[in-house]
Amino acid sequence: QKEVEQNSGPLSVPEGAIASLNCTYSDRVSQSFFWYRQYSGKSPELIMSIYSNGDKEDGRFTAQLNKASQYVSLLIRDSQPSDSATYLCAVINTGGFKTIFGAGTRLFVKA
Amino acid sequence: DTEVTQTPKHLVMGMTNKKSLKCEQHMGHRAMYWYKQKAKKPPELMFVYSYEKLSINESVPSRFSPECPNSSLLNLHLHALQPEDSALYLCASSQDVSSYEQYFGPGTRLTVT
Repeated sequence: QKEVEQNSGPLSVPEGAIASLNCTYSDRVSQSFFWYRQYSGKSPELIMSIYSNGDKEDGRFTAQLNKASQYVSLLIRDSQPSDSATYLCAVINTGGFKTIFGAGTRLFVKA
Repeated sequence: DTEVTQTPKHLVMGMTNKKSLKCEQHMGHRAMYWYKQKAKKPPELMFVYSYEKLSINESVPSRFSPECPNSSLLNLHLHALQPEDSALYLCASSQDVSSYEQYFGPGTRLTVT
């Protein structure tokens, strides 16, 4: 089992719709979770961090964390073509020194 | 300011060359990282520096040699690389190694011929 798993996609949504990106992790005691956006040929850009169970909202983005189910998700409301990118889920491992990345989900937002 | 800078942006080197990648941050972060990213793959951790000391070396071949001259600078010295080492090399920094968000630089696109 991979430490951080994401559906590779591509996930295709129409402009204005909600995009839902999902991630599961294997280390039950992980405490820190992040979502990065990466455009083709560019470096990852941090868009959300979440540390507690529940929802965290920032603009059009909402991160959701369920530690009991070892599940973290990212919702993008009112999706725009400019949101088309690869979204990387990242988890800091128990020792706290390593960030483990999922393989990423490619999102396409159709105009 | 969450800026991490990296130079050069692009580098082409032969297998017998010696070159260095540079990374700089002025956010007062005490942890700095080197990652390697191949096309359509996630970043792979290479090295972690915490308070200017090497904390993690992910079994990286010795042809890659990291150096942290001070808390703002991180170098990656390259020697006798192989074509399969061609990749995007990313530097990142965070407030500390534990639990904090990492901010990435723009990367250096390395091609080994």
